[in-house]
Amino acid sequence: QKEVEQNSGPLSVPEGAIASLNCTYSDRVSQSFFWYRQYSGKSPELIMSIYSNGDKEDGRFTAQLNKASQYVSLLIRDSQPSDSATYLCAVAYNNNDMRFGAGTRLTVKP
Amino acid sequence: NAGVTQTPKFQVLKTGQSMTLQCAQDMNHNSMYWYRQDPGMGLRLIYYSASEGTTDKGEVPNGYNVSRLNKREFSLRLESAAPSQTSVYFCASRDQAGQPQHFGDGTRLSIL
Repeated sequence: QKEVEQNSGPLSVPEGAIASLNCTYSDRVSQSFFWYRQYSGKSPELIMSIYSNGDKEDGRFTAQLNKASQYVSLLIRDSQPSDSATYLCAVAYNNNDMRFGAGTRLTVKP
Repeated sequence: NAGVTQTPKFQVLKTGQSMTLQCAQDMNHNSMYWYRQDPGMGLRLIYYSASEGTTDKGEVPNGYNVSRLNKREFSLRLESAAPSQTSVYFCASRDQAGQPQHFGDGTRLSIL
């Protein structure tokens, strides 16, 4: 069983819709959680960090964390074609280890 | 502001050859990481260095060695390259536990 699990997709949504991306993680001492966006052929770039239970909003992005359920999600409101990318969930553990999910490929159709 | 710099950007090797991938960061970060990324597999941690002078194995360390040369530099060595090591390699760094990582642009490595 992988430590960080994501649906690989592809997830396809129409322009202007809400895209919902999900991630579950294994029961280790996890400290912090991140969402990265990766365009094809490029390196991952950080879009959201979340450290405590609840919601965190930044522009069109909302990250949600539920440590009891070992679940973290990313909502993208008013999705744009430029949001089409692979989204990586990452979990940082207390021993400085950091693990990534395999990523969910999102396509936003005009 | 360069951030994380990886060299080379592309490399082709023959099976059995050795090679060192270089990574340097100018953000004064304590921790550095090496990942490989293969289609459908996401980023898999090879080795990491929590601080200068320490290194630890990640998820897929076999066939690789690392050196944390100083606080800025963290190199990854393939002693005898195999076709299964064909991949895109990313180096990353971060300041403290709990902080996000910053990535380099990657090294695309092909082993024939």
